[in-house]
Amino acid sequence: EVQLVESGGGLVQPGGSLRLSCAASGFTFSSYWMSWVRQAPGKGLEWVANIKQDGSEKYYVDSVKGRFTISRDNAKNSLYLQMNSLRAEDTAVYYCARVGYGMSGGFDYWGQGTLVTVSS
Amino acid sequence: SYELTQPPSVSVSPGQTARITCSGDALPKQYAYWYQQKPGQAPVLVIYKDSERPSGIPERFSGSSSGTTVTLTISGVQAEDEADYYCQSADSSGPGFGGGTKLTVL
Repeated sequence: EVQLVESGGGLVQPGGSLRLSCAASGFTFSSYWMSWVRQAPGKGLEWVANIKQDGSEKYYVDSVKGRFTISRDNAKNSLYLQMNSLRAEDTAVYYCARVGYGMSGGFDYWGQGTLVTVSS
Repeated sequence: SYELTQPPSVSVSPGQTARITCSGDALPKQYAYWYQQKPGQAPVLVIYKDSERPSGIPERFSGSSSGTTVTLTISGVQAEDEADYYCQSADSSGPGFGGGTKLTVL
């Protein structure tokens, strides 16, 4: 059974940093592109970042470029999102998602999400 | 990121057919995907590559594509289908989602 379990969310002040983790199991992690997708409270879904199977290619939505870094450790079956210079508008539930059909989607498995709140 | 356009809401009675549209310039060249999201839950993929249904998704869910518009059709809608539905595709700027459609079962 495919499982994705996020952790690391919480309350952080504007300008602060947070590192999200996603533990994957039930599939060959190193064979898939992986993504982070977020959802602000009461809003729709927004793709945040993608990373290739070997970590050699990474892509970001414009609003997080230069502030967020996606990475992975295939030996640990883990995906990460380092978030720096956080802003109030980054407040959202962050989902880890497996990219099932090539680098551009769709997302065939999702974690349960971890809430990030940026507030003073 | 790529933007797709969906109607904010669709309402149907139980047993009727619900159709949710999604439009975007790149849809003739890129596959579309559909997700169902119920309150407090993660999204679930219900249609991939325009019209394919993942295992475990009921046959009443189907997808179609025509030009710059893709459509999610739910035949014989049941109360449990009440949820938010999102389309997703991609262009050169990366993946993008529609704004979501709230399906209300009257």
